[in-house]
Amino acid sequence: EIVLTQSPGTLSLSPGERATLSCRASQSVSSSYLAWYQQKPGQAPRLLIYAASSRATGIPDRFSASGSGTDFTLTISRVEPEDSAVYFCQQYASSPLTFGGGTRVEIK
Amino acid sequence: EVQLLESGGGLVQPGGSLRLSCAASGFTFSSYAMSWVRQAPGKGLEWVSSISSSGGATYHADSVKGRFTLSRDNSKNTLFLQMNSLRAEDTAVYYCANGGIYYDSSSWGQGTLVTVSS
Repeated sequence: EIVLTQSPGTLSLSPGERATLSCRASQSVSSSYLAWYQQKPGQAPRLLIYAASSRATGIPDRFSASGSGTDFTLTISRVEPEDSAVYFCQQYASSPLTFGGGTRVEIK
Repeated sequence: EVQLLESGGGLVQPGGSLRLSCAASGFTFSSYAMSWVRQAPGKGLEWVSSISSSGGATYHADSVKGRFTLSRDNSKNTLFLQMNSLRAEDTAVYYCANGGIYYDSSSWGQGTLVTVSS
């Protein structure tokens, strides 16, 4: 099983600041089958990034991602109040599919 | 517009059974792998099960293997999750999503709450 560890647990930022979220895998994620999701309270998750670095349809370009192998990063270039949410990474390369524990982004 | 609508959640006693359904519309259901993901109250996301587009292959988390069965009816654009021998730790919101192994989940339902309690 591929274990995904996300850090930090919580990120508290002011509007306009840069957010850097990390997702580290216990073993290499083949072919970069890694996704990032955003979840706001009471809502279903929303796909932000697939294949490690490709933005999903309709996702603002302030969201970007990179990485391969075991180290992946989601960056929000300039956070906005509506970016307040929990962000999860997921590997979908092998069963069991696994999610990271999440990073909460708080906007001051 | 892609829509996934879950139903079938509710309160059930430990050891009981429930069948969740997910009605899909707005896309070619038979071309997509599908999955269930759950979220216990205040916790993170946990993958439960996935099924291939044809229904010929299914995958389950160890925590539900032998208790949950995943199936689909491509003629009715519907995904099913039969949950038996339910435990308190199965209490969660269950989300239906497209995707599975090798496929990201770009569309999610609104979720259905399953509560296992006496």
